Amino acid sequence: NAGVMQNPRHLVRRRGQEARLRCSPMKGHSHVYWYRQLPEEGLKFMVYLQKENIIDESGMPKERFSAEFPKEGPSILRIQQVVRGDSAAYFCASSPPSGRAFFGQGTRLTVV
Amino acid sequence: EDKVVQSPLSLVVHEGDTVTLNCSYEVTNFRSLLWYKQEKKAPTFLFMLTSSGIEKKSGRLSSILDKKELFSILNITATQTGDSAIYLCAGARVGGSEKLVFGKGTKLTVNP
Repeated sequence: NAGVMQNPRHLVRRRGQEARLRCSPMKGHSHVYWYRQLPEEGLKFMVYLQKENIIDESGMPKERFSAEFPKEGPSILRIQQVVRGDSAAYFCASSPPSGRAFFGQGTRLTVV
Repeated sequence: EDKVVQSPLSLVVHEGDTVTLNCSYEVTNFRSLLWYKQEKKAPTFLFMLTSSGIEKKSGRLSSILDKKELFSILNITATQTGDSAIYLCAGARVGGSEKLVFGKGTKLTVNP
C-alpha cells in the first residue's frame, strides 16, 4: 500500500504564475487535508476535503487559493498569481472515514 | 481560537542525554493529542494520546497526557544523533475530522 503521494516534490514559480500541487491519498482513504508550513513554523491547516466536497476550508486564504478532490484522480491545491509569501512547504494528509491521518512528503514551493 | 504551544523551541544536547519536550494545548472539543517527528520530509507519527495519565512507550521514546492541566510531554532517553529532528505536537477535536492544530515544534539537535 503506497503512502500518500504528493507531486511535484519541488516547484519553482515566478511571481504571477499559477501553482498546482497534487496529492494522491492512500488506498482506501476518502478524506484529504492540506497543510502549509512556513519556515520556522508548525503546520497550519488549510482545507479538509472528501470526494467531490469541501468540508472545511477555514484555513484557506480567501483569494487565489482553491482546492478540489474530484471523484477520480488526485486532490489538487491550486494557487493563482503566486506571490513570494506563498513560498512554503505544502503537506497533504489522508485518512479513512474514522482513523488517523498519514502525511505525504510535501511539495516545497518557491516563488521567485 | 485553538492553540498549541511547544517548549522549548530549540534544544541542543549531547548523545546519551535525556530530553523532555513540552506541549500545552487549548483545543475546543479536545479528543486527542498527537506527537510527530519531522526530518526534512513528511511528519512521521509517534504517539496519539487520548486518556490522561497513561504513558505510551516506543523504545527510548515515551509520552504522557494530562487532560486536567492541558499538557503533554515527550521524553527521549539515551538520545542518539538520529533523534535530531523537529518534534511536532498537535491537538485533534472530537468528530470525524482529522483536522489538527499544530504547535511550532521543538527543534532537537543531538551532537555526538
